[in-house]
Amino acid sequence: DAKTTQPPSMDCAEGRAANLPCNHSTISGNEYVYWYRQIHSQGPQYIIHGLKNNETNEMASLIITEDRKSSTLILPHATLRDTAVYYCIVEYGNKLVFGAGTILRVKS
Amino acid sequence: SAVISQKPSRDICQRGTSLTIQCQVDSQVTMMFWYRQQPGQSLTLIATANQGSEATYESGFVIDKFPISRPNLTFSTLTVSNMSPEDSSIYLCSVEDIVTGGSYEQYFGPGTRLTVT
Repeated sequence: DAKTTQPPSMDCAEGRAANLPCNHSTISGNEYVYWYRQIHSQGPQYIIHGLKNNETNEMASLIITEDRKSSTLILPHATLRDTAVYYCIVEYGNKLVFGAGTILRVKS
Repeated sequence: SAVISQKPSRDICQRGTSLTIQCQVDSQVTMMFWYRQQPGQSLTLIATANQGSEATYESGFVIDKFPISRPNLTFSTLTVSNMSPEDSSIYLCSVEDIVTGGSYEQYFGPGTRLTVT
């Protein structure tokens, strides 16, 4: 199963863009990259997913490199409520295997 | 997106007893999943539950300890049997929703916080 590598923590100033990197160098050609976040004491929340092309929705943008070995989640204008653990996940046989994630702290 | 509820939201149980956690979805879904999140840790998949078939367990999890029922397309239960303090965790239910293009999104319930004393 493809594994992901994320920095353990990041800080971001309120109102600025938060760019969260993820490495997934062993990803297979038909495996999707998913991003979830978990705010303290809540269930994980789906953010976005993609295969090859960059994706954007109301929450975030996902930039996937051409070789698909890494991706970046972009929160364009981070707020204090975006403080959470962000998980980058590569789908494995219809299953999501969670790694340790990145703790994002948005500071005023 | 699917709306998922879990009961109970939290419980404190004595060792040696069992607790059954219920997961209810507001729409029919094919695949449901049960996860465990131990204190300070990430999520670990326990099993996949499809309606009409036996649950498929991940390595390290067995049916005798975590029996699962899936009687219909909107409901599932997970039982934590013969509990010990090491079972103290948050247990989360999730469902898979197929989206356009053949990919899917997975939605999670609020979790059940279990403390075993």
